[in-house]
Amino acid sequence: GEDVEQSLFLSVREGDSSVINCTYTDSSSTYLYWYKQEPGAGLQLLTYIFSNMDMKQDQRLTVLLNKKDKHLSLRIADTQTGDSAIYFCAESIVPNNNNDMRFGAGTRLTVKP
Amino acid sequence: DTAVSQTPKYLVTQMGNDKSIKCEQNLGHDTMYWYKQDSKKFLKIMFSYNNKELIINETVPNRFSPKSPDKAHLNLHINSLELGDSAVYFCASSPEGVNTEAFFGQGTRLTVV
Repeated sequence: GEDVEQSLFLSVREGDSSVINCTYTDSSSTYLYWYKQEPGAGLQLLTYIFSNMDMKQDQRLTVLLNKKDKHLSLRIADTQTGDSAIYFCAESIVPNNNNDMRFGAGTRLTVKP
Repeated sequence: DTAVSQTPKYLVTQMGNDKSIKCEQNLGHDTMYWYKQDSKKFLKIMFSYNNKELIINETVPNRFSPKSPDKAHLNLHINSLELGDSAVYFCASSPEGVNTEAFFGQGTRLTVV
């Protein structure tokens, strides 16, 4: 069935790059998102990419989309301890502009000093 | 400085009761939403609301009603709770007309017994 999958844990050293991967199965997805959740907080939108794009860069964040393989990745350059959080991949299908969304289970990123 | 916050985080209640879930956003967004998450982590939109328009997903029972005392708050009232209402409910907000840039609360797990 349709699902969004991502690995549950990632641990990196401060200053390294982090790459969080996600696969989705709904080929009708129109937008793909990355959200960040810090302890006790809600989901903060980091970035999103429209499905006709291959790449989007925003400061330390780079999103790559391989639509053929239904693979989305988030690269965080020069990872800092403040980047430690849970990162959620999500897809939306926008029939009638409803923007229903499907989230992955989240990847917990731990940044070690 | 949480962007979107909802309370309570967990709610367990008996069938037939009436309950409310509160949501507040401090982002200055004009539009707020309520979503219901199904067992496959699919967030189905229930309502979207700004100061001009309430859009209701027609599949939502009229036991569910949003109440907005001001632009920063959108509470969800549920009357005569049923077992099938058990789910995680997410509040979200976005700039007006930009529903791709939604920030979410951390979710309220409602269990009806």
